[in-house]
Amino acid sequence: DGGITQSPKYLFRKEGQNVTLSCEQNLNHDAMYWYRQDPGQGLRLIYYSQIVNDFQKGDIAEGYSVSREKKESFPLTVTSAQKNPTAFYLCASSILGRGTNEKLFFGSGTQLSVL
Amino acid sequence: AQTVTQSQPEMSVQEAETVTLSCTYDTSESDYYLFWYKQPPSRQMILVIRQEAYKQQNATENRFSVNFQKAAKSFSLKISDSQLGDAAMYFCAYRPNRDDKIIFGKGTRLHILP
Repeated sequence: DGGITQSPKYLFRKEGQNVTLSCEQNLNHDAMYWYRQDPGQGLRLIYYSQIVNDFQKGDIAEGYSVSREKKESFPLTVTSAQKNPTAFYLCASSILGRGTNEKLFFGSGTQLSVL
Repeated sequence: AQTVTQSQPEMSVQEAETVTLSCTYDTSESDYYLFWYKQPPSRQMILVIRQEAYKQQNATENRFSVNFQKAAKSFSLKISDSQLGDAAMYFCAYRPNRDDKIIFGKGTRLHILP
């Protein structure tokens, strides 16, 4: 079955630690996204990528980093510079443009908490 | 900057009644896409409906329809014959056609009263 897989489902971070959230898709989508969800804040865009080896900052990129070495994979690293990392993180991919039935396919999310 | 505003943090509707969720957006673009996504308690995001700005006809999907007012930059979602399964967070989203960046509003939590 085609889809988008996020892991782990739950993740705990210690002070000063970097953690990496995994996102893999087998939908052959070019575009991939990372969003952060906090209560009352909706979904805020962290990073997005339109093509392999290229990505753009979203609205809240500080304290995060990404890579796009393969079309299928778009991991997100939450660095120690992110002082308030506790949130629900959603990865998504999309086919884009007219005539494509454009929509975001979302993973099931990772809940990150600070110990 | 492009923004999406959902002015109703929470709404309630009686089962089988009709409810309208509001969304406004700010953009200088003329060609863009608008979306409504649903997030039930499982937190799995589901596309409800999509509207392409160049199409004047309002999109419909079964019990869900939109009122797209391009000049007013308004994109409201109407849910007819509300069902208990419609209870969820609803997010409005926007993408300009020249970019792949997709931004979301803060959401409206919809309660269905039996």
